Amino acid sequence: QVQLQESGPGLVKPSETLSLTCAVSGYSISSAYYWGWIRQPPGKGLEWIGSLFHSGGTSYNPSLKSRVTISEDTSKNQFSLRLSSVTAADTAVYYCAGQSAVADNWFDPWGQGTLVTVSS
Amino acid sequence: QSVLTQPPSVSGAPGQRVTISCTGSSSNIGAGYDVHWYQQLPGTAPKLLIYGNSNRPSGVPDRFSGSKSGTSASLAITGLQAEDEADFYCQSYDSSLNVIFGGGTKLTVL
Repeated sequence: QVQLQESGPGLVKPSETLSLTCAVSGYSISSAYYWGWIRQPPGKGLEWIGSLFHSGGTSYNPSLKSRVTISEDTSKNQFSLRLSSVTAADTAVYYCAGQSAVADNWFDPWGQGTLVTVSS
Repeated sequence: QSVLTQPPSVSGAPGQRVTISCTGSSSNIGAGYDVHWYQQLPGTAPKLLIYGNSNRPSGVPDRFSGSKSGTSASLAITGLQAEDEADFYCQSYDSSLNVIFGGGTKLTVL
């Protein structure tokens, strides 16, 4: 059974870089699966941030592309999110999720999410 | 504003049937991309409810069903139960293969 767990600072200052890690258990991240990050501002809907393919390639939301980097650490079986130059608008619950390696894929399973607040 | 349009809220009494629509365009759903649905219970992470327009993952009751036609998709819930009260989101892709979500629908069981 694949399980994901997000970790990282819960408070980030404006203009700094948000960094989160998603630890994967029950499956090797270098196998045939994709991995994604999704966020949800308080009281609002879901927003896709980006995805990491098992080949190491990435795809990002065009609205965030200039500030986002998603990378993998296969030795630790985890993948990471970095979002630079954050503002209060980046305050959200951040989820990591697995994606099936098929066309038009879906997100399953999801981590429990971690709240990141951007504030000085 | 989300690319996929969902009604902000729907409601129904226990035992009734409700439907939630997800309206897109010729650049996403209408281009043939599959639609997936997620249920988010209060205070929890979203959970996959329907994938590939109409398929239920193991463990999802058959009271939940999905369909797709043209530029829209629908989620139907029959035999409504109190524990179904949640937010529901549709998800698909655009022509640039970016993931897109609907704005979400809050289901209230009266």
